[in-house]
Amino acid sequence: QKEVEQDPGPLSVPEGAIVSLNCTYSNSAFQYFMWYRQYSRKGPELLMYTYSSGNKEDGRFTAQVDKSSKYISLFIRDSQPSDSATYLCAMSAKSGNTPLVFGKGTRLSVIA
Amino acid sequence: GAVVSQHPSWVICKSGTSVKIECRSLDFQATTMFWYRQFPKQSLMLMATSNEGSKATYEQGVEKDKFLINHASLTLSTLTVTSAHPEDSSFYICSARPGLAGGGGTDTQYFGPGTRLTVL
Repeated sequence: QKEVEQDPGPLSVPEGAIVSLNCTYSNSAFQYFMWYRQYSRKGPELLMYTYSSGNKEDGRFTAQVDKSSKYISLFIRDSQPSDSATYLCAMSAKSGNTPLVFGKGTRLSVIA
Repeated sequence: GAVVSQHPSWVICKSGTSVKIECRSLDFQATTMFWYRQFPKQSLMLMATSNEGSKATYEQGVEKDKFLINHASLTLSTLTVTSAHPEDSSFYICSARPGLAGGGGTDTQYFGPGTRLTVL
């Protein structure tokens, strides 16, 4: 079993839809959870950063962490064509020099 | 804030030559930088972890003599691909983790825009 599992998609939705992206993980030591957005041929851009369990909202984006289920989600409300990108989840345990563990990324297309 | 730059953004070189890629944190000090490579439609593959003033830690299967990493300052790390071959053609991305005074840091990484390397 891989440390982080993420459905690669592709996921196509109509403009305005609510998008749900998810990752599961196996390492209970993970405490820091991130979502990155990567456009084609660009570096990943940090979207959301959360610590431990709970919800965090930033504009149209909401990140949820359920440590008991080892499950994290990113919700995008009122999706726009500009949201079309690959979304990567990433996580790490509490250690300053521990590399992030990434999911494979989910390709999202928002159709106008 | 938290901007990371890479130079060059793309490079084409002949087989057998060496290529140097620079990664800079522009508005913060990075005690740790990471180098990744990414093939088309694939996720990021960590190559090495670079700590300022010390030797890089390479992931299993990554040749340290081929991919030379130098992290000489808190804002600059370089990756040199030595004797490049066509199979080294890829998208190379660095990331930087901010360090805080007193030795603390965060687990957030900020990525550069990537460097596309094509070896002919």
